[in-house]
Amino acid sequence: SQQGEEDPQALSIQEGENATMNCSYKTSINNLQWYRQNSGRGLVHLILIRSNEREKHSGRLRVTLDTSKKSSSLLITASRAADTASYFCATGLLGTDKLIFGTGTRLQVFP
Amino acid sequence: NAGVTQTPKFQVLKTGQSMTLQCAQDMNHNSMYWYRQDPGMGLRLIYYSASEGTTDKGEVPNGYNVSRLNKREFSLRLESAAPSQTSVYFCASSTRGSSYNSPLHFGNGTRLTVT
Repeated sequence: SQQGEEDPQALSIQEGENATMNCSYKTSINNLQWYRQNSGRGLVHLILIRSNEREKHSGRLRVTLDTSKKSSSLLITASRAADTASYFCATGLLGTDKLIFGTGTRLQVFP
Repeated sequence: NAGVTQTPKFQVLKTGQSMTLQCAQDMNHNSMYWYRQDPGMGLRLIYYSASEGTTDKGEVPNGYNVSRLNKREFSLRLESAAPSQTSVYFCASSTRGSSYNSPLHFGNGTRLTVT
């Protein structure tokens, strides 16, 4: 099974609402990263949180990391139709340069 | 500034044929990665190269070989293609490896179908 698993698999909300996605992982990490993928395109890096950090913000994005529970969440505030995409967490495995991706959350934001 | 360039964009192979997927980056990055993406599976790491001259196996290396030709280029070879290798393949690069907290920059992918 995969290192990272995301929940929910799919999420539909209205513009202006907040979207929360969760990621759980199995082994110790250097960092956890979130990426976005628009249909048919490559992934784009959103935010990176190091293993010794608990919370990080970037614009409308807020990421939390709980290493004791091996979990992270991504909050997108005041969502827009343009936020419609798939979102993936990725974990940098401790002691290696491997970056392992989760299964992703498909977010649909209705205007 | 092109970033990460993958060629070809699309390819159809017959079972048993071989081919090489090309990837080049112009950002002077040290680390490069190959992933495959299948529906419902997210991205799975095939091989990566933390620096020029080194390559390491990822989660799903069987059936693939890689060459880090120079700092810019990292190719992925399928010696004898199988239908299970039908997928979208992504190349990515980063300033340094993941252990240095470097984010990845992705290419736009190669869609491969093996019949």
